[in-house]
Amino acid sequence: LAKTTQPISMDSYEGQEVNITCSHNNIATNDYITWYQQFPSQGPRFIIQGYKTKVTNEVASLFIPADRKSSTLSLPRVSLSDTAVYYCLVDSGSARQLTFGSGTQLTVLP
Amino acid sequence: EAGVAQSPRYKIIEKRQSVAFWCNPISGHATLYWYQQILGQGPKLLIQFQNNGVVDDSQLPKDRFSAERLKGVDSTLKIQPAKLEDSAVYLCASRTSGSDEQYFGPGTRLTVT
Repeated sequence: LAKTTQPISMDSYEGQEVNITCSHNNIATNDYITWYQQFPSQGPRFIIQGYKTKVTNEVASLFIPADRKSSTLSLPRVSLSDTAVYYCLVDSGSARQLTFGSGTQLTVLP
Repeated sequence: EAGVAQSPRYKIIEKRQSVAFWCNPISGHATLYWYQQILGQGPKLLIQFQNNGVVDDSQLPKDRFSAERLKGVDSTLKIQPAKLEDSAVYLCASRTSGSDEQYFGPGTRLTVT
């Protein structure tokens, strides 16, 4: 299983764009990159998934370079309610299993 | 659409006692997962079911943990006997066929004293 590395914590201010980068050097050809968000006392929640280039949905964008050894989750104009732990995961193909790392604690300040 | 339900939400037991957690996945979701999340860490997969069959239980401590999903719907995770290091949040998640997105329940917080 591909291991992921992401910063332990990040601080930002309301209204700013936040970019969280994750490295996954051993990603396999068939692996997808998935990001989950977790608030205290709740289970993780799916944010976005991608394979290559750029994916955008109503809450975030995911940028994946051609070599796919890293990815960047972009949160536009964060608010206080975006304070949470964000996990970058590499989906190990057909087994559809998720291997979580330690995640990035994002703190949005007023 | 109702989400993944788990009970109880909190449980405190003494070491060497037994405990059971229950999960009701989203209706129609064939795949069910149990995760263990220790404070400050990401969730760790314990077992994955496809309908009522086990797909992967390689990280389940089988000497003390057991799980079943007899009718392919609800699932129960049991710990017997519990150890102090089992203190964690136990998360259940489910997924429908053809989708990569897992839906997580609120978890059961277990404290072993």
